[in-house]
Amino acid sequence: AQSVTQLDSQVPVFEEAPVELRCNYSSSVSVYLFWYVQYPNQGLQLLLKYLSGSTLVKGINGFEAEFNKSQTSFHLRKPSVHISDTAEYFCAVSLSGGYNKLIFGAGTRLAVHP
Amino acid sequence: ETGVTQTPRHLVMGMTNKKSLKCEQHLGHNAMYWYKQSAKKPLELMFVYNFKEQTENNSVPSRFSPECPNSSHLFLHLHTLQPEDSALYLCASSQDLPRGNTDTQYFGPGTRLTVL
Repeated sequence: AQSVTQLDSQVPVFEEAPVELRCNYSSSVSVYLFWYVQYPNQGLQLLLKYLSGSTLVKGINGFEAEFNKSQTSFHLRKPSVHISDTAEYFCAVSLSGGYNKLIFGAGTRLAVHP
Repeated sequence: ETGVTQTPRHLVMGMTNKKSLKCEQHLGHNAMYWYKQSAKKPLELMFVYNFKEQTENNSVPSRFSPECPNSSHLFLHLHTLQPEDSALYLCASSQDLPRGNTDTQYFGPGTRLTVL
């Protein structure tokens, strides 16, 4: 079975500082990896996804993530955050070759302070 | 209206009530999903429909009854719920569900359900 662990439930950071949100997964087969963002009172929106190819994936709003197969990690990074990045961030996996079933982590609350 | 919409956005109900949640997608997708989002817990997949056929029931109690009359609409009928069923219920859609598919799931804003 697959599982996703987001190591930090909350990450406080000051505006314009860099941030890294950590995600580790467990799977005995190949997976696809996703990061979603949920702004207050809204649904989830896809930030970026890794399917194959380059391990560094760039997404919307200046976010990027790096797939590390040996460490089974898919950490999300942004070099300089804005107040508007305050949201809940979810890491998810789905089986490559399987149907489109997402398994989510518990989420990381990013709080950007002025 | 575009994307995935859900109504109502907020719902308060007693344990003996019957209510329904509605989801509509305007993206031309063929697959639709119900998720439950409880505080401090990962999103839980409840049901999956592909071309109006249910393809997954993730051991959901029978007090939750889904209905998918067409590829654009998805309902979740609620009956005799428990207080622990209080959560945010999210609907999502994607293009299709063939093996190996990697289509993005698009989410609605959710219905915040409170069971008294």
